[in-house]
Amino acid sequence: SQQGEEDPQALSIQEGENATMNCSYKTSINNLQWYRQNSGRGLVHLILIRSNEREKHSGRLRVTLDTSKKSSSLLITASRAADTASYFCATDGQAGTALIFGKGTTLSVSS
Amino acid sequence: DVKVTQSSRYLVKRTGEKVFLECVQDMDHENMFWYRQDPGLGLRLIYFSYDVKMKEKGDIPEGYSVSREKKERFSLILESASTNQTSMYLCASSMDRGWNEAFFGQGTRLTVV
Repeated sequence: SQQGEEDPQALSIQEGENATMNCSYKTSINNLQWYRQNSGRGLVHLILIRSNEREKHSGRLRVTLDTSKKSSSLLITASRAADTASYFCATDGQAGTALIFGKGTTLSVSS
Repeated sequence: DVKVTQSSRYLVKRTGEKVFLECVQDMDHENMFWYRQDPGLGLRLIYFSYDVKMKEKGDIPEGYSVSREKKERFSLILESASTNQTSMYLCASSMDRGWNEAFFGQGTRLTVV
């Protein structure tokens, strides 16, 4: 079934640096969402971008969506140690069915 | 705040046992989902439900069943637990079919020995 694929699988940066992770998907979508998961916990919703939007901001988060390339990026600016987590993109698919998740990007921010 | 509560954080069961994982949400959401999460495989959808007594198979339903007798509760059942069902199980709910955000429980880490 359709699944987003995040890239890179793992990312290590220093505090204060920006972190960029990408997501590619296979079929047309209604929206794309990004979630964060702290180690061993449930997922927390970060941001949703609809298919007719190109960019969205929320605090230190910036998400872009390019439907022609079937890709999205999540930028976290001025990273903090507390941003250390796994990040997942999720898409709803053509029929608006259940959210389908990618495999995630593991971000490590060191102080 | 929306709360999705899974009955156990950690669970250890024996091979062949029938296992029930319970999930309750308190926001009157219509939709509920069960995923399992394994290293390197991400989250995979097992079953979901859009209404009471309604269920639909996800990507990996084999070896699982579900029950939704009440709107707020969605149970995942492992009919005969096997070691390859050792995993993290995540329950989620949402207002509608993926158009809006999903709210997740804290997860149940199941070990089958």
